Amino acid sequence: DAKTTQPNSMESNEEEPVHLPCNHSTISGTDYIHWYRQLPSQGPEYVIHGLTSNVNNRMASLAIAEDRKSSTLILHRATLRDAAVYYCILRDVWQGAQKLVFGQGTRLTINP
Amino acid sequence: GAVVSQHPSWVICKSGTSVKIECRSLDFQATTMFWYRQFPKQSLMLMATSNEGSKATYEQGVEKDKFLINHASLTLSTLTVTSAHPEDSSFYICSAYSAGTPSDNEQFFGPGTRLTVL
Repeated sequence: DAKTTQPNSMESNEEEPVHLPCNHSTISGTDYIHWYRQLPSQGPEYVIHGLTSNVNNRMASLAIAEDRKSSTLILHRATLRDAAVYYCILRDVWQGAQKLVFGQGTRLTINP
Repeated sequence: GAVVSQHPSWVICKSGTSVKIECRSLDFQATTMFWYRQFPKQSLMLMATSNEGSKATYEQGVEKDKFLINHASLTLSTLTVTSAHPEDSSFYICSAYSAGTPSDNEQFFGPGTRLTVL
C-alpha cells in the first residue's frame, strides 16, 4: 500500500480555517486520496475523497497538488467539534472494497 | 449517510471467557465488512475482511482461531474473541462497505466496542 505522511499534531483556534497537509510522494495513478476523521472514543467517519481535481463538500475541501504527491484538507471554519484525529489514506480505484490502511494521522486540537 | 451499529458498546469479561461483538448495517446491505482493533493512543489496525457467505480473510499476525468472524447476512457480521486474555483488551471497530452504490467510495464505521478483560 502507498504510504502517507502527516504531522503528528496541529492546533488551531475556533472559527479559523485549518489546513491539514498530507504527503504521498509514491502515489500511483489509480490511487484515490481519502480523508477520514476519528472523534474521541468513536469510530472513524468519512470526510472527503478525490482523485485529481479539488473537491468540496459540506464538511471540508480537499486541495490536491498538480503532481498529486501531496494534498491538503481544509476546514474552512473550525469548531470545537472538529477536534479529532484526521487520517489521510490512499485507496486504489480498481480494488473496490479495499481495506483502508490507517497511518498515525494528525491530532487536531481546537482552542476556544 | 449510512448507519452502522455495534453491540455491545462496552463489555467487561473475565480472562478465559469468550465475547461476541455484533456489527450491523442498519439501512443498507453491506457486501463487505471489516474489523479493526485500536489500542490506546494508537491508530486502527485492520484485523480481517469478511464478505457475506464466505470465510473471512485475516491480516498477517491475526489468529483466526482466536478471533472468529461470521458474516451470515448482508447486514450482520460478528466477531467472537475466544478465550480472551487481558492483552486482548482493546477498542474493536467494524466498518461496512456496499459495492455498486453512489457511496461505494466510503466505508461506514460503527461506534466501536470497548473490551476489557480482567
